[in-house]
Parts: sequence; C-alpha cells; structure tokens
Amino acid sequence: EPEVTQTPSHQVTQMGQEVILRCVPISNHLYFYWYRQILGQKVEFLVSFYNNEISEKSEIFDDQFSVERPDGSNFTLKIRSTKLEDSAMYFCASSGGGGMGPRQYFGPGTRLTVT
Amino acid sequence: GQQLNQSPQSMFIQEGEDVSMNCTSSSIFNTWLWYKQEPGEGPVLLIALYKAGELTSNGRLTAQFGITRKDSFLNISASIPSDVGIYFCAGPAAGTYKYIFGTGTRLKVLA
Repeated sequence: EPEVTQTPSHQVTQMGQEVILRCVPISNHLYFYWYRQILGQKVEFLVSFYNNEISEKSEIFDDQFSVERPDGSNFTLKIRSTKLEDSAMYFCASSGGGGMGPRQYFGPGTRLTVT
Repeated sequence: GQQLNQSPQSMFIQEGEDVSMNCTSSSIFNTWLWYKQEPGEGPVLLIALYKAGELTSNGRLTAQFGITRKDSFLNISASIPSDVGIYFCAGPAAGTYKYIFGTGTRLKVLA
C-alpha cells in the first residue's frame, strides 16, 4: 500500500540554523500539507500546497517557513532560522483531490529538536 | 476560529470492554475523519464520514456523523491491548482543505 515517507526521522539543530524537512507524498496525490505537533499537544495545520503554490496557511506559518516541490516527488518544508519553540514533530500529509480530497494520509513525522 | 473538542480526554478500560468517545464543534463540518496516533508515529486514518447521519464501520470501529453536523462519535467494540493510543477527530474548516484536529482522547487498555 502506498504511503507517505519523511526524512530524516529526527533532526537536531542549533537555534538560528536553517533546516529542511523532506517528504515524499503518495505518488498520484495532488494536495500536500505540513502539520506540526508539539509534544503532548494536538496536531496543528501549517500549510497546504496545490498546483505548485500555497493554497492555505495558518498563522504559525510565518516568514521563517517556506515550502517547495522541487521535483515530481519531493515536498519540503524549510525553516530559515530555527527557534527553540520550533521543536516539535512535523508531519507531512497528502490527499488525492476531488472526491478523495478529504482523506489525508500522514507520514511518520520528523522530530525536530532545536537546542 | 473553529475548534474541535473531544471527550473524554483520557480513559482506562479493561480488555474486552467497549469504548465510546465523541467530538463536538461549535460550527458545522461537512466531513469528519477519525485518526489514531501511537507514540512517535503519525496519525493513521481510521474512518472518514461525508454525510450527516452516516454510520460507517471499519472492523471493530464504528463512527457516526452527527445529524447536526456539529458532532461525531467513535465506538470501539471488544477492545484489545493494541487499541492503545490517542484518537483524534479532524475535519476541514468550512470551504478549505485546512484540517482542524481535535484535542484527542487518550485510550489505555488494561489486559
């Protein structure tokens, strides 16, 4: 069964450094998403991406964040200058669009630790 | 903004018992999804509901889309130890694909 994959599984970085989190969505999906989950809290929407552009973003997704689909398979989240409060699990998700649009499938996540 | 509140927040049950949890919103949702998350992993989609009143099963799991469109229920029958995890309801904010997740129900099953 196709699945969303994410790399790395764990990223440790120093405050102020740039990080890039990578995701490979399910191959025939059209919509892509990033979410984050601070330890012990609920999953929070960051951004959705369709047709090579951001379709929606939350207030969390400020100028320090950016997303890109550099080729036909990868979907990345970049944090330009990490802060301590960026420490969280980051989940990528994808969905098929159209009638299958609401079914979002999540990757295993990348645990980001900012020190 | 839209929020999804889940209850109970946590529950401890004996293996074999049935479980019921719910999710409520102050505003209407057109789709309800139920996810399960185990420690260190991403949410796994369990059931998707698309119409008010819809009742859908997935093995021992049954979920219902409330007729008011402001709530949904998830039932687990004959619980087993591997049912342990956090169960989240989720739905897209009106007219968007921006998913809002509920506060979660943490389930622990005692063997």
